[in-house]
Amino acid sequence: AQTVTQSQPEMSVQEAETVTLSCTYDTSENNYYLFWYKQPPSRQMILVIRQEAYKQQNATENRFSVNFQKAAKSFSLKISDSQLGDTAMYFCAFTRYNAGNMLTFGGGTRLMVKP
Amino acid sequence: DTEVTQTPKHLVMGMTNKKSLKCEQHMGHRAMYWYKQKAKKPPELMFVYSYEKLSINESVPSRFSPECPNSSLLNLHLHALQPEDSALYLCASSQARTGAYEQYFGPGTRLTVT
Repeated sequence: AQTVTQSQPEMSVQEAETVTLSCTYDTSENNYYLFWYKQPPSRQMILVIRQEAYKQQNATENRFSVNFQKAAKSFSLKISDSQLGDTAMYFCAFTRYNAGNMLTFGGGTRLMVKP
Repeated sequence: DTEVTQTPKHLVMGMTNKKSLKCEQHMGHRAMYWYKQKAKKPPELMFVYSYEKLSINESVPSRFSPECPNSSLLNLHLHALQPEDSALYLCASSQARTGAYEQYFGPGTRLTVT
């Protein structure tokens, strides 16, 4: 079975600064996908970024980037130039290749961006 | 249109009531999901439908009964619920169950069982 751990239940960052959210996972699989989902207060959960395990290059999406360390089973999310709208719950998630798109979520990190 | 809609937004029901939650998507997605989310916790998968057929039931009690009448619509029928079933119920859809397609989530139905 896979497990996903987010060790930071809550974090805060000043507007315009950079913050990194941690995620580690445990799996014996070699082919899998990792995701960061964002759930703003009272709003829909949306995909922020995804990473295929077979790709060595770290994924980036505008101000969001990941540091994927496959050997260490680590998948952190860096948010640059933080904005007030980044305030949300962030979930790290894992799915095995050909696992029917079933996500295993971490416990979440609540991020507060302060003005 | 990348939207998943859910109705109602809020629902309060007694333990003897029967109610239904509705989820709709018009993205042509062939996989749809029901999740249960307690406060400050991650979503927990309940059911997965693929091409309108139930493919995964995560040992959910029978008081929850899913239905997929067509490829755009997903229902969750509720009967004889318990107070511990109070939670945010999320619907999601993805292009397919294979691979790792992005799941698009609805805003959820906040259910309170009294």
